[in-house]
Amino acid sequence: EDKVVQSPLSLVVHEGDTVTLNCSYEVTNFRSLLWYKQEKKAPTFLFMLTSSGIEKKSGRLSSILDKKELFSILNITATQTGDSAVYLCVPRGSNYKLTFGKGTLLTVNP
Amino acid sequence: NAGVTQTPKFRILKIGQSMTLQCTQDMNHNYMYWYRQDPGMGLKLIYYSVGAGITDKGEVPNGYNVSRSTTEDFPLRLELAAPSQTSVYFCATRGGETQYFGPGTRLLVL
Repeated sequence: EDKVVQSPLSLVVHEGDTVTLNCSYEVTNFRSLLWYKQEKKAPTFLFMLTSSGIEKKSGRLSSILDKKELFSILNITATQTGDSAVYLCVPRGSNYKLTFGKGTLLTVNP
Repeated sequence: NAGVTQTPKFRILKIGQSMTLQCTQDMNHNYMYWYRQDPGMGLKLIYYSVGAGITDKGEVPNGYNVSRSTTEDFPLRLELAAPSQTSVYFCATRGGETQYFGPGTRLLVL
């Protein structure tokens, strides 16, 4: 059965801190890994990773994938209160099947 | 360009009632999905569609039905509401590798 495990499940930091969110996965016929940010409502897309070792960056957020170790991390530097959300790591298998875990709840305090 | 829209935003149903959750997209995407998200849990796939006239079951289809008569619309039908169907329902489309989510419908069955 496909599965994804994110750690930590929740994290509380102060503004300006740097955080690293972890994701390990087991997916049949792995194709890619997506990161989403979910605030009050729908998840919004952050990154898609398909190749090992190539870092994707978007402002203060960056992510990298290790397909050998079945692992990905999401880094957020200089955190802001607006970064408070649940971050979802979503591996994709064949037939565009997505596997969702519980996510990591990040709380950034001022 | 509204993306993915869902109605209603919130609904309370009595046990045994039926209702239809509406989902409309204006991105001309063939693939559409319905997920449910229970509190503190990951999203689970209910049904999906690869194009007008074609639908298939996801992980948790029991108690639900769908139809896809047009590319734009993908309604989800609950025939006999049960308390176990209390959840937040997300509709999504797929464009390329990325899924785009609607704002969600929060459903409470009492």
